[in-house]
Amino acid sequence: TQLLEQSPQFLSIQEGENLTVYCNSSSVFSSLQWYRQEPGEGPVLLVTVVTGGEVKKLKRLTFQFGDARKDSSLHITAAQPGDTGLYLCAGGGTGANNLFFGTGTRLTVIP
Amino acid sequence: SQTIHQWPATLVQPVGSPLSLECTVEGTSNPNLYWYRQAAGRGLQLLFYSVGIGQISSEVPQNLSASRPQDRQFILSSKKLLLSDSGFYLCAWSALRTNSGANVLTFGAGSRLTVL
Repeated sequence: TQLLEQSPQFLSIQEGENLTVYCNSSSVFSSLQWYRQEPGEGPVLLVTVVTGGEVKKLKRLTFQFGDARKDSSLHITAAQPGDTGLYLCAGGGTGANNLFFGTGTRLTVIP
Repeated sequence: SQTIHQWPATLVQPVGSPLSLECTVEGTSNPNLYWYRQAAGRGLQLLFYSVGIGQISSEVPQNLSASRPQDRQFILSSKKLLLSDSGFYLCAWSALRTNSGANVLTFGAGSRLTVL
């Protein structure tokens, strides 16, 4: 099992603030995905990055894949209450059972 | 478009009783199918995955079993539930290949199981 550690584990911020969530591993992945999960629902894919150093932007969210493809970060600018949820990173290798999920970061944005 | 259905959404069962959670996918053929368990809003633990009818791989030893009787149907079962089986169970599917080469999962809404 390839371990993906996310930090921080919990984050509570005021609306309008910026934040960064980190996803780190000692393993190399061929791809890195970020999901957001709301209470009582399944995770929903936000983005997939596949190239070392790749940066993708989704409105106020910026995702980066580390140069060595072992880590990733998610930066949110001007957080909104709608950003509240559990953020999960997932590293992909090869094969149908190739997706390894991180430990999760629970974000609360206070209005 | 593809959709995934999972039921029941909530289940309360006594220790020692059987379990059956069902998942079906529409709008795709020969998907990879997965069962995950999530503890207390944390990361996901892969329990079973299947790449085809009747093909089941188990990732962790446990009190549960899975079956895939049809191409787009995946069932999670137990003959006798334990207290430790309580949790949030998620079914997911993925296509065998994607443009980016990544195994992207689409999840169901989850089933909350409480064993008393």
